[in-house]
Amino acid sequence: DTEVTQTPKHLVMGMTNKKSLKCEQHMGHRAMYWYKQKAKKPPELMFVYSYEKLSINESVPSRFSPECPNSSLLNLHLHALQPEDSALYLCASSQVGADNSPLHFGNGTRLTVT
Amino acid sequence: DAKTTQPPSMDCAEGRAANLPCNHSTISGNEYVYWYRQIHSQGPQYIIHGLKNNETNEMASLIITEDRKSSTLILPHATLRDTAVYYCIVRVIGNQFYFGTGTSLTVIP
Repeated sequence: DTEVTQTPKHLVMGMTNKKSLKCEQHMGHRAMYWYKQKAKKPPELMFVYSYEKLSINESVPSRFSPECPNSSLLNLHLHALQPEDSALYLCASSQVGADNSPLHFGNGTRLTVT
Repeated sequence: DAKTTQPPSMDCAEGRAANLPCNHSTISGNEYVYWYRQIHSQGPQYIIHGLKNNETNEMASLIITEDRKSSTLILPHATLRDTAVYYCIVRVIGNQFYFGTGTSLTVIP
């Protein structure tokens, strides 16, 4: 079991679809993250939110649009994706201001773009 | 950018200690080292972290060299359930956690 909940677990979408991935945590963490993980590769950092404000964008294409509506929720809006965007998308959270606070991960959303 | 390097794979006999090395030669003085593991199709699981002192918890021990350029994760009595990919991560100031390439550990019965 994980304290970071991601929905849906699996998602299949066409290249013209618009969909959203959702992430929720209730640990009081004020930093939230999106990672992308391709098969047999390590997770790659996409976005970091700190106190509900975007603090890091790792040059991610604009077809990925993150949103942090409140301190417990993190969304990733998807539009006009390509088949190469198929991957496991991981959400994580951590405390802010504590340099030794670990990341807590959800189990991810496995996305397939057809 | 990955700040850590790890061997791609290792084997360990069940019941023996598994020693997983990590090189982080460019680490800065106030950057922590974290270890996670990932079992297929699950999110990474936190194991342990440290700055410069050796650390131990119920899962593992972390040995950091005095110059902080490398570390070793020790699983004292490996079980089949410890088969996973193990990631060594350096946390860059500003809430940035960058994963290295990881070590695929196989525990052999």
